[in-house]
Amino acid sequence: EVQLQQSGAELGKPGTSVKLSCKVSGYNIRSTYMHWVNQRPGKGLEWIGRIDPANGNTIYAEKFKSKATLTADTSSNTAYMQLSQLKSDDTAIYFCVIDTYDVMDAWGQGASVTVSS
Amino acid sequence: DIQMTQSPSSMSVSLGDRVTITCRASQDIGNYLSWYQQKPEKSPKLMIYGATNLEDGVPSRFSGSRSGSDYSLTINSLESEDTGIYFCLQHKQYPYTFGAGTKLELK
Repeated sequence: EVQLQQSGAELGKPGTSVKLSCKVSGYNIRSTYMHWVNQRPGKGLEWIGRIDPANGNTIYAEKFKSKATLTADTSSNTAYMQLSQLKSDDTAIYFCVIDTYDVMDAWGQGASVTVSS
Repeated sequence: DIQMTQSPSSMSVSLGDRVTITCRASQDIGNYLSWYQQKPEKSPKLMIYGATNLEDGVPSRFSGSRSGSDYSLTINSLESEDTGIYFCLQHKQYPYTFGAGTKLELK
């Protein structure tokens, strides 16, 4: 069974950074893309970007190019997303997702990021 | 970016109803369309992929269809466990884009 275990809730001050992790079990992340999606309070889903863990190649949605940095460690089968220059608008739940057969089918449980001074 | 226009935004439904939710794509996405169900405080769950394919374990009362640039999710004979928010996702082209969601509630 594929499982994605995300790191816990984060509280960050405006202007700082946070780094979220997503550890995958039951699937080799070298064989897939790792996507990140957010959901602001009471809102819909927004695709942030994806990384190919096999070579580190990344693609970002335009609005997240200066906000998010995606990395992956294939030795630990873990992906990371750093969010920089936090603003209140970054307060959201962040999900990691993999596509085991070219569909975003396996989701992490989500990690809450709250930006507050 | 490809816009996914989802309708309706909410529905108040009764048990046993037939429910249809639609997403319209602003550009050609072929069959690169998935449907997700999200329950409160939970991650989205894949229901339909490739526009018409039922994910393993999803009840057969769920189905997906396509007519041109319109993609539909249909629930036949709604059950109480089907309440939640449904989203469509296009993954034909980056950036991937979601529909705004449809909230299904029981009357």
